[in-house]
Amino acid sequence: SQQGEEDPQALSIQEGENATMNCSYKTSINNLQWYRQNSGRGLVHLILIRSNEREKHSGRLRVTLDTSKKSSSLLITASRAADTASYFCATEGNTPLVFGKGTRLSVIA
Amino acid sequence: DVKVTQSSRYLVKRTGEKVFLECVQDMDHENMFWYRQDPGLGLRLIYFSYDVKMKEKGDIPEGYSVSREKKERFSLILESASTNQTSMYLCASSFPPSEYTDTQYFGPGTRLTVL
Repeated sequence: SQQGEEDPQALSIQEGENATMNCSYKTSINNLQWYRQNSGRGLVHLILIRSNEREKHSGRLRVTLDTSKKSSSLLITASRAADTASYFCATEGNTPLVFGKGTRLSVIA
Repeated sequence: DVKVTQSSRYLVKRTGEKVFLECVQDMDHENMFWYRQDPGLGLRLIYFSYDVKMKEKGDIPEGYSVSREKKERFSLILESASTNQTSMYLCASSFPPSEYTDTQYFGPGTRLTVL
């Protein structure tokens, strides 16, 4: 499987700081998506970046994609306590979405 | 808004019992998926379906079966539950990929404990 691997596994920051999470994958993809999961709940789609795009913004989210390095990053600016959650990257190629193991983000008020 | 519902939030069963987990979506999605999520292992795909009466094995189908008799409903069946099937089970649905996008919508999850 072309599983994405998130880094770091866990991240703890103060409210107002920026949070950066990285995702690396192994094979060519059509797009890469980021999802968020609040504790004990289902995943919610945040943002999708296509393989021919390099950067995408949505509100306080900024995603970059470097297909030559097979990596992506998710930046959350001006973090809030409500951003505390797990964040997963998911890659789409010729198979169903393949999810990474996630980054656990804790934002301390 | 897309809504994906799962029959139970929490479920406790005994070893050897037959367990049914149901998932219903209300957005006429073609595709439906079952995952299990375990600490340190992330989400792993059990089975998926691209149409009624169709099913495809995912990465870890052993010990599971599925049923899709209606478009909106996708059931996961544990024929004889075992303790190693204690997990969080997540259902998701999506439209067929268009322009290479397969955004999935998830249900709230069922936390199954097998004693």
